[in-house]
Amino acid sequence: SYELSQSPSVSVSPGQTASITCSGDRLDNKYVCWYQQKPGQSPVLVIYQDSRRPSGIPARFYGSNSGNTATLTISGTQAMDEADYYCQAWDSRTAVFGGGTRLTVL
Amino acid sequence: EVQLVESGGGLVQPGRSLRLSCAASGFTFDSYAMHWVRQAPGKGLEWVSGISWNGGDIGYADSVKVRFTISRDNAKNSLSLEMNSLRTEDTAFYYCAKDIGADGNNDAFDTWGQGTMVTVSS
Repeated sequence: SYELSQSPSVSVSPGQTASITCSGDRLDNKYVCWYQQKPGQSPVLVIYQDSRRPSGIPARFYGSNSGNTATLTISGTQAMDEADYYCQAWDSRTAVFGGGTRLTVL
Repeated sequence: EVQLVESGGGLVQPGRSLRLSCAASGFTFDSYAMHWVRQAPGKGLEWVSGISWNGGDIGYADSVKVRFTISRDNAKNSLSLEMNSLRTEDTAFYYCAKDIGADGNNDAFDTWGQGTMVTVSS
């Protein structure tokens, strides 16, 4: 079965740029989306179709997908961005999630 | 306001059944695919099942295939998940999620409910 791999954790200083990666075989042949989940809350879609932002998502969230790696970039990271981030793609009519990356802003 | 409200969770013994429901409001329900996604305590997200706008296309994760059945009632703006032969590993928060599109097999989930907890234990 298809797998998406994410680093368990990423740390960033406030105001700096955070990069969260998601790896999978020939991932650029698929659309990737990203979800943000804060403790005790439901996930929120922040990027879909590789790089599109839903309404209400700040422009500091940016997505890209090339080769075997998709990247969620958060520029000017704020304390409110501290959360778990999950990538997701479809393979053989099955939705697959990455294991999640905990972003710590310190 | 787009809203999804799950219900039906609880404590159930292994091998028993449970039915989850999701009430949708604030959008044209029969224009969108819908999904169930679960999250075990302290773990990541796992897609469980999805259904297209008219129920004509349904998919399941291998881990629940044959045991779980997804359905929708467009007249009542509701989504259901019938869970049979429950196992301890099915213990999780179950979220109802709205698809961005109608087909339900290639896109993102743009709205999530608050979730309902299912605990499978003797």
